[in-house]
Amino acid sequence: SQQGEEDPQALSIQEGENATMNCSYKTSINNLQWYRQNSGRGLVHLILIRSNEREKHSGRLRVTLDTSKKSSSLLITASRAADTASYFCATDAGGNNRLAFGKGNQVVVIP
Amino acid sequence: DTAVSQTPKYLVTQMGNDKSIKCEQNLGHDTMYWYKQDSKKFLKIMFSYNNKELIINETVPNRFSPKSPDKAHLNLHINSLELGDSAVYFCASSLGQGATNYGYTFGSGTRLTVV
Repeated sequence: SQQGEEDPQALSIQEGENATMNCSYKTSINNLQWYRQNSGRGLVHLILIRSNEREKHSGRLRVTLDTSKKSSSLLITASRAADTASYFCATDAGGNNRLAFGKGNQVVVIP
Repeated sequence: DTAVSQTPKYLVTQMGNDKSIKCEQNLGHDTMYWYKQDSKKFLKIMFSYNNKELIINETVPNRFSPKSPDKAHLNLHINSLELGDSAVYFCASSLGQGATNYGYTFGSGTRLTVV
């Protein structure tokens, strides 16, 4: 099944800085989603961007999608300690009503 | 009010035992899923049900059997547990039959440890 690949896999930043992580995928998609997972918890849906969209914002989150490069980025602005989590991208490229998840980025925000 | 609830949260059991994990969603969603997350946090879909009907059945050992008594519940029964079954199992749900057009709502997970 199709998997997104996030890059970098671990990121450590100071509170207030911006965090950027990337995701690449291999085949065409209808949409791409980003999720956050706090330690010991389930995944929380952050944002969905459709293949005909290039950029989407939600609060301090900004997602871009470049279908020609088959990549997406998630930017978290003015990071907070509470943003410490793993971030996953997921695509529907696997077909058959399934979301395929990437390996995840660990982001640590140091207060 | 928990949207997707799983029980138990932790499960420690011996090899060879049979165990079940229960999942319930109160969101009125049509589709429910089971995902397995390994020690490296890789998430892999196992099963998906839409309105009680099985629509995804990944290459999963037949020791794993899902059951959906109604569209709000999706349980997972595992027979003859093996060490390699140790993982975190997540239940999730979403709207609609074309479920990838919507975000998924996940439960908080069941950490299964087989000893």
